[in-house]
Amino acid sequence: DSGVTQTPKHLITATGQRVTLRCSPRSGDLSVYWYQQSLDQGLQFLIQYYNGEERAKGNILERFSAQQFPDLHSELNLSSLELGDSALYFCASSQGADNEQFFGPGTRLTVL
Amino acid sequence: AQSVTQPDIHITVSEGASLELRCNYSYGATPYLFWYVQSPGQGLQLLLKYFSGDTLVQGIKGFEAEFKRSQSSFNLRKPSVHWSDAAEYFCAVDNNAGNMLTFGGGTRLMVKP
Repeated sequence: DSGVTQTPKHLITATGQRVTLRCSPRSGDLSVYWYQQSLDQGLQFLIQYYNGEERAKGNILERFSAQQFPDLHSELNLSSLELGDSALYFCASSQGADNEQFFGPGTRLTVL
Repeated sequence: AQSVTQPDIHITVSEGASLELRCNYSYGATPYLFWYVQSPGQGLQLLLKYFSGDTLVQGIKGFEAEFKRSQSSFNLRKPSVHWSDAAEYFCAVDNNAGNMLTFGGGTRLMVKP
């Protein structure tokens, strides 16, 4: 158990819908990262937040957004969902300056 | 831009045999390198990491990896594989800014009894 929690574990929804994925980092970690794992794209970095501020952006679509709250948990919002958004979404956390990231169990999103 | 290549998509080894999983990276400076393992239905677990210093690093579960700058490689090894090692293994590089990890495509390891 990495100490990073993600909810929900599974999510099934329809095209065009909007969903929110939630992540709680390890106690004391200030950085939260979001990754997408799909069969065709592999594991891709989406976005990073550090202590509430966006710090780095990767291959994140404009339909996706994220935020980190004062209690340091983070949410990833996915809107206007398409079939191709079906994937495993991972959250990871780190202390900040430390480059070691600890991954949560992931949320499996299925878009029908 | 940094990139990571894992040339072997699938590898099958017999239980008790040695294992080497290949990883090549492309990065301008000295990278921070990682190996993660993903068991079916699970998240990613860090096996080991290289930041600097000794180029042979030891990790958990009996794994080790060697950083070879001249070959831009960071291969993962284990002297004797156990059936529980069957999983997918990912090599990753960090851009040294403490943020994004770039992952290789992964190598799926199968272990024959």
